[in-house]
Amino acid sequence: DAGVIQSPRHEVTEMGQEVTLRCKPISGHNSLFWYRQTMMRGLELLIYFNNNVPIDDSGMPEDRFSAKMPNASFSTLKIQPSEPRDSAVYFCASSPGTALVSNQPQHFGDGTRLSIL
Amino acid sequence: AQSVTQLGSHVSVSEGALVLLRCNYSSSVPPYLFWYVQYPNQGLQLLLKYTSAATLVKGINGFEAEFKKSETSFHLTKPSAHMSDAAEYFCAVIARDDKIIFGKGTRLHILP
Repeated sequence: DAGVIQSPRHEVTEMGQEVTLRCKPISGHNSLFWYRQTMMRGLELLIYFNNNVPIDDSGMPEDRFSAKMPNASFSTLKIQPSEPRDSAVYFCASSPGTALVSNQPQHFGDGTRLSIL
Repeated sequence: AQSVTQLGSHVSVSEGALVLLRCNYSSSVPPYLFWYVQYPNQGLQLLLKYTSAATLVKGINGFEAEFKKSETSFHLTKPSAHMSDAAEYFCAVIARDDKIIFGKGTRLHILP
């Protein structure tokens, strides 16, 4: 079975540019999560969706960040304009559960390593 | 509010030795607890989970963890370390009506 698929795997761009990260969750999973991982702050939950609806975006750092899930098989995380401090590894995860509070584990993609120059 | 603390950002053990990675949690309600492993350039993979059934949980790759309510701990162990166990390990907690929280991670180094 295909796991969570993220693209691109690596992204290098100059500050001020728009960055779009993509995620395809596991088919049949109802919840999708976006995380950011840095050495300083560890793994941070940015936003999550249940059944394509954003439930909690309190982890999104600034208005420059936005996420969408137009259908059950695709989500994007967009940064506009990007800044050097946005450099991190961004992970997408999906879960068969329909609520954040669930004993169903999350399945992670391999991440997008983003470098903003 | 809930939290999770992993003691030691780096742990080194010799190949064949016992692996012990520590995790303590804080939760006002019975939690769900997880251990994940992250290999270089990959996402997190579930090792095992505790969901209020048996307190001793067995996971993949020979790992297990014991839930100790009195100590608010969920330490990860493996009797004999293998070189392929070198990775970063994350403890995570979910309490009802709250978000999943990940620990800062512990990087496990295996010495030949």
